[in-house]
Amino acid sequence: QSALTQPPSASGSPGQSVTISCTGTSSDVGGYNYVSWYQQHPGKAPKLMIYEVSKRPSGVPDRFSGSKSGNTASLTVSGLQAEDEADYYCSSYAGSNNPLVFGTGTKVTVL
Amino acid sequence: EVQLVESGGGLVKPGGSLRLSCAASGFTFSSYSMNWVRQAPGKGLEWVSSISSSSSYIYYADSVKGRFTISRDNAKNSLYLQMNSLRAEDTAVYYCAREGPESPSAFDIWGQGTMVTVSS
Repeated sequence: QSALTQPPSASGSPGQSVTISCTGTSSDVGGYNYVSWYQQHPGKAPKLMIYEVSKRPSGVPDRFSGSKSGNTASLTVSGLQAEDEADYYCSSYAGSNNPLVFGTGTKVTVL
Repeated sequence: EVQLVESGGGLVKPGGSLRLSCAASGFTFSSYSMNWVRQAPGKGLEWVSSISSSSSYIYYADSVKGRFTISRDNAKNSLYLQMNSLRAEDTAVYYCAREGPESPSAFDIWGQGTMVTVSS
């Protein structure tokens, strides 16, 4: 199972928006509405930010939103704040034999 | 407090074995599927293995199939990963993660990770 494709980096100024893409295939992203997004600060464990494409866990700011079109999912961070600077990973369910695949990761920089 | 705490990492020679443990607290461990996820130094996340709440369903990434064994003891609120025939490319921080109650394949609780280094 190949990793989902994400851009290596993205950036924006405070208050701006940044959108990260996550491209897979019809066997993973395109085939199921089980795309999740994780935020990881250096030296820390990942934190779930979005699940089932667009749902936010309790406590996650509504500045974080998710969507999907075809084989590509997206995470948008609106109103960028300094604390949003982190690595972001998507993941997708990929069928019963190889249940989960992660994306390659995107480093978000707040300018 | 809902918490996962990994242990058992360390330095091991290629071909060696190691057993990781993950102690759960603050939730009904026996109700949740659990997973191991690893992250090589400076690299991205890689899903390793998953086990259903009653151990009925177990899955492995192709990269560890036949070498790693996941298990759990619901009476002890613990998750395990037995790693055999270790290779240099298995060097990583290993996280245990809970599959959230609201969605399969979404990991809502993570441990702090335990470092495994495979080197001679």
